[in-house]
Amino acid sequence: AQTVTQSQPEMSVQEAETVTLSCTYDTSESNYYLFWYKQPPSRQMILVIRQEAYKQQNATENRFSVNFQKAAKSFSLKISDSQLGDTAMYFCAFRQGAQKLVFGQGTRLTINP
Amino acid sequence: NAGVTQTPKFRILKIGQSMTLQCTQDMNHNYMYWYRQDPGMGLKLIYYSVGAGITDKGEVPNGYNVSRSTTEDFPLRLELAAPSQTSVYFCASSYLGQVPTGELFFGEGSRLTVL
Repeated sequence: AQTVTQSQPEMSVQEAETVTLSCTYDTSESNYYLFWYKQPPSRQMILVIRQEAYKQQNATENRFSVNFQKAAKSFSLKISDSQLGDTAMYFCAFRQGAQKLVFGQGTRLTINP
Repeated sequence: NAGVTQTPKFRILKIGQSMTLQCTQDMNHNYMYWYRQDPGMGLKLIYYSVGAGITDKGEVPNGYNVSRSTTEDFPLRLELAAPSQTSVYFCASSYLGQVPTGELFFGEGSRLTVL
């Protein structure tokens, strides 16, 4: 069974700093999707960024980028120029084909003014 | 564009009561899911459906039932509510076809408390 591990339960940085959230996963397959979801206090699940495993290029979305290391099964999220609105729980998730999305336990990120 | 809509947003139940969480999506997605999120934890899959008339169990199905009579609707029923079912419930949908995006679209969640 696939597993997703987020080793940082909580992180805290100052506004405008760069922060990296870690995620590792376990799978024997070669084709899959990886995601980072953001859950602010409103508890809405918001997709931040998506990476297809067959793509070697790291995905980027404005201030958000990933470092996808397929051989190491690592998928970290970098947030540049962090903003107060980035304060949220961040979940790493894995999906293989038509199967369910498997979530990590989350990292609580606090951006301090 | 409503996306995924869940009702109710909040509910308090007494032990032993039953209720149904409603979920509907207007994106013509074939896959639908129910997750629960306990405080400080990630999401765990309760049930999912790959299309109308087809449902399957996830990681934590005990105490729940689902049905999928239409593409749009995927209600979750709690029978004989227990305090362990106090949680936030999320419905989600996904499209998997010729060009799948893989991502799930989530509803806003339903907070259920069983006392």
